[in-house]
Amino acid sequence: QVQLQESGPGLVKPSQTLSLTCTVSGDSLDSGSYYWSWIRQHPGKGLEWIGYIYHSGGTFYNPSLKSRLSISVDTSKNEFSLKLNSVTAADTAVYYCARDQVGFHPKYYYGMDIWGQGTKVTVSS
Amino acid sequence: QSVLTQPPSVSGTPGQRVTISCSGSSSNIGSNAVNWYQQLPGSAPKLLIYSNSQRPSGVPARFSASKSGTSASLAISGLQSEDEADFHCEAWDDSLNGRVFGGGTKLTVL
Repeated sequence: QVQLQESGPGLVKPSQTLSLTCTVSGDSLDSGSYYWSWIRQHPGKGLEWIGYIYHSGGTFYNPSLKSRLSISVDTSKNEFSLKLNSVTAADTAVYYCARDQVGFHPKYYYGMDIWGQGTKVTVSS
Repeated sequence: QSVLTQPPSVSGTPGQRVTISCSGSSSNIGSNAVNWYQQLPGSAPKLLIYSNSQRPSGVPARFSASKSGTSASLAISGLQSEDEADFHCEAWDDSLNGRVFGGGTKLTVL
């Protein structure tokens, strides 16, 4: 059974860097069968896709976040990570990681089929 | 303001059929596939429909979806109390070069 678990600080100060890790169990990031995504949900709002990474380290980011965003992978630990710098209150959200199914081009994808439970991050001084 | 437009809420009674709409444009729904997610209260989203109308294994046939032009819709037949959740549509947007979501629709089973 594949499971994803987010971890990281629940409180980040404005202008600092938000760092989260997603640990995957029951599947190997090295298998190359899937991509691995980050998504967030602002309080009481809809979902926002942040970006994804492949086991090789290839990434694709939401253009609106690209200048502040970095997603990396550590296949030896079977985990992938998110770093979002220069955060503001607008980055306060529940952050999810998910297993993603992407085709030969980023626009061809087949949904995020397994999600972590989510972790709440608040940006406040 | 979400790129894809969904009604904030819909409701129905047990056994009824309800539909949830998702309206977009030629740069997203009009030219790309739509996925749907169900988010039960206090839980993470769950993939409900992918590629416009395909159900992942384990999703009941009561859930169906279709797309026409720049709009998509999710239908739930034989409504059950456990269907009460938020539903989100998603598609790729060629102009934004990224994925976009609707604002979500809260389904209430009366």
